[in-house]
Amino acid sequence: DAKTTQPNSMESNEEEPVHLPCNHSTISGTDYIHWYRQLPSQGPEYVIHGLTSNVNNRMASLAIAEDRKSSTLILHRATLRDAAVYYCILSDSNYQLIWGAGTKLIIKP
Amino acid sequence: KAGVTQTPRYLIKTRGQQVTLSCSPISGHRSVSWYQQTPGQGLQFLFEYFSETQRNKGNFPGRFSGRQFSNSRSEMNVSTLELGDSALYLCASSLGLAVNYEQYFGPGTRLTVT
Repeated sequence: DAKTTQPNSMESNEEEPVHLPCNHSTISGTDYIHWYRQLPSQGPEYVIHGLTSNVNNRMASLAIAEDRKSSTLILHRATLRDAAVYYCILSDSNYQLIWGAGTKLIIKP
Repeated sequence: KAGVTQTPRYLIKTRGQQVTLSCSPISGHRSVSWYQQTPGQGLQFLFEYFSETQRNKGNFPGRFSGRQFSNSRSEMNVSTLELGDSALYLCASSLGLAVNYEQYFGPGTRLTVT
């Protein structure tokens, strides 16, 4: 099963870029890489997803390594509202999304 | 466009009872997924329904079941409740299967089993 490895927590200063890493060495060729985040006391929120090439949207950018064994979620200018648990998710052989423990992002003012 | 709604928001049940949770997806979304979230286990996938058919099922006992109606609304049922079933139950909807489309989550139903 495709699994992801993320740091338990990261700290960043407000208004600075944040790079959240994710390792997924067992990824298969057709797996999308999904990122969601969960703010305190809320349901998860979609951030971005991609397959091979880098992806951008209004919320973040996703940089995918050429061998696809790792990816990085980039928040270009973190705000206090970006403090959340960020999940990097792949699907398993049954096309189920497998959620790990995620990275708790702490933003310092 | 209205978001995903879940009812009830809070529920207290006794061991041995059964419970039914409801989820109304975003209009036009055909897939509904259910998740259980606990402090110890994190977010765990229960099942996904698409076009009234269960497409995927997580590693949960048969006491956990679900269904989807023709209007894409979904219900989840837990029979013979155990203390360990106390959790936040989240529903998410997507245009198609969750592996290919972004999911939109509801606020969840907080179930407490006493």
